[in-house]
Formats: sequence, C-alpha cells, structure tokens
Amino acid sequence: AQTVTQSQPEMSVQEAETVTLSCTYDTSENNYYLFWYKQPPSRQMILVIRQEAYKQQNATENRFSVNFQKAAKSFSLKISDSQLGDTAMYFCAFRTSGTYKYIFGTGTRLKVLA
Amino acid sequence: NAGVTQTPKFRILKIGQSMTLQCTQDMNHNYMYWYRQDPGMGLKLIYYSVGAGITDKGEVPNGYNVSRSTTEDFPLRLELAAPSQTSVYFCASSSRLAGAETGELFFGEGSRLTVL
Repeated sequence: AQTVTQSQPEMSVQEAETVTLSCTYDTSENNYYLFWYKQPPSRQMILVIRQEAYKQQNATENRFSVNFQKAAKSFSLKISDSQLGDTAMYFCAFRTSGTYKYIFGTGTRLKVLA
Repeated sequence: NAGVTQTPKFRILKIGQSMTLQCTQDMNHNYMYWYRQDPGMGLKLIYYSVGAGITDKGEVPNGYNVSRSTTEDFPLRLELAAPSQTSVYFCASSSRLAGAETGELFFGEGSRLTVL
C-alpha cells in the first residue's frame, strides 16, 4: 500500500530561524510527484512546493526548499527565515503518474514564535 | 482566474436534513474530488470522478452521493445529515499528467458544515 508518514505532529520555530519538516513515503512506483501543501488558519489549502521524482535537483521556491532522497523515500521541507505568516498545518502528499490518486500525510502543525 | 469554486462556505443543518455542496472548476480538469477534514485531522477522500459521467467511492462515502454531468461541476449531496458529518469539506481538481502538466491538486476554499 502507498503511504505518507509525517512523524512530527507539532513543531515550533523562532521567527527568522530555519525549520525542517519531515516526510517519508512508501511506493513501488518509479514515476511520481511530491507536494507540500500549507493550510493556514483560514483553512485554504495552498501549494508550497512540488517535486517530480525523475528530477534529481531539489526544488526551491523562495524561502522554501526540499531535500528529496529518492532511495530513502524521504521528502523533507526546509523553511528558511521563518515568518509569522508561515504558521500553519503542513501536509506532504504524493501522486503516481498515470493515476488520479493523491496520498496525504496526517500533517505537521507549525507555529512560528515572535 | 476562479480555479475551484465551492459553495456555500458555511452551513448549519439539523439532523435528518439534506443539502448539496456545489463545486465547479474552470480549468478543464478531468479529475475532481471531495475530501472531508475533521478538526485537527488530515484529509479523507469521500468521492472522486475521472471524467463526466464517471464517479467512484473514496475512503468514507457513506451518507454522501455525487454526480458529474459536466466536466466543470461535481456536486456533493448529503442525505439525512448526521452529527458525524460535521466537518470541513474540500472540493479539488487536477489534470491528467501529460506534457507540461504539474500534477498539482487545486483546492476550493472549503465549506464548513455543522449538523446539530
């Protein structure tokens, strides 16, 4: 079965510091897409960053970057220079090529402290 | 650029009442989904559709029905509302993975439903 595991239910970080959220997944497929979604208190689901499994280079979006380790099936999210607006629930997800299905983790609640 | 639009944003129902959550997308996406999110929890798939006229059950379909008569619309109907259906509901859509498609799942803003 395909699964996504986020082992950190809650985390906190001081403003301006760096934090890393963990995500591991399990699949026997070779081609897939990985995502991090952010859900702030407004509850809107916002795509933070995506990674295609066939790309070796780690994706980066401004202060957000990933550490994608395909062999280890690990997809961690690093947030640099944390801001108060980064306070949210973060969900890791993946989708295999050729299917409709998205597998979500249970989420990590991140609180950025002033 | 509307994306995925769902209505209503909030609704309170009495036990036994029925209602329909509306969802429409303007991105010509083949795939559409309904998820529910209970407080402090992750997303659970209720129903999904891979195209007009085709729907199938997800993880938690009991008490719900869907239809997909057009590519754009994917309404979710709650029959005989129960307190266990109190939740936030998200409609989402995505495209087939082809060409330059990103594979991203696009979400609506969510509908908070309370059953009393």
